[in-house]
Amino acid sequence: QKEVEQDPGPLSVPEGAIVSLNCTYSNSAFQYFMWYRQYSRKGPELLMYTYSSGNKEDGRFTAQVDKSSKYISLFIRDSQPSDSATYLCAMSEGYQKVTFGTGTKLQVIP
Amino acid sequence: AAGVIQSPRHLIKEKRETATLKCYPIPRHDTVYWYQQGPGQDPQFLISFYEKMQSDKGSIPDRFSAQQFSDYHSELNMSSLELGDSALYFCASSFWSGESTDTQYFGPGTRLTVL
Repeated sequence: QKEVEQDPGPLSVPEGAIVSLNCTYSNSAFQYFMWYRQYSRKGPELLMYTYSSGNKEDGRFTAQVDKSSKYISLFIRDSQPSDSATYLCAMSEGYQKVTFGTGTKLQVIP
Repeated sequence: AAGVIQSPRHLIKEKRETATLKCYPIPRHDTVYWYQQGPGQDPQFLISFYEKMQSDKGSIPDRFSAQQFSDYHSELNMSSLELGDSALYFCASSFWSGESTDTQYFGPGTRLTVL
């Protein structure tokens, strides 16, 4: 079993929909939780960065971390075709390597 | 804002050849990480350096080696290349404050193709 589990999708939604992306993890030492967006053949681009449990909002994006359940989420409101990409959740213990989920491929249909 | 720079962006090699990938971190970042991403796969951690010392090691083959230089740039050396080494190689950098590390920012990657 992988340390970080993420549904690979693909996830297809109409433009304007709310998108919910999720990851579960098994390592209770993870303290830093990130969401990266990766377009085809490009490097991962940091979207959201959260320390420990709680919510964080940035524009149309909201990240939630529930450490008690070992569950993190990314919500995208008013989704746009330009949001079509692969979304990778990632976690670290704070000073070490980042462990990624497998990524969820999202397609927003105009 | 300055980002992580990787060179070359594309590299084609033949089996058993050697390749060197370079990474230039964001200014003031002191930690560099290397990842390998195969087709349809998530990035897999290879190795990291903090202040020119190896800080963590992942699934890096013995045929690969890496180092970080005094100007904080890093090089990943890959010898006896195999077809299975074809992948995207990402470098990421972060800043260690002494208590915690800032998140990792990724470069655009080097696409290595081994023929």
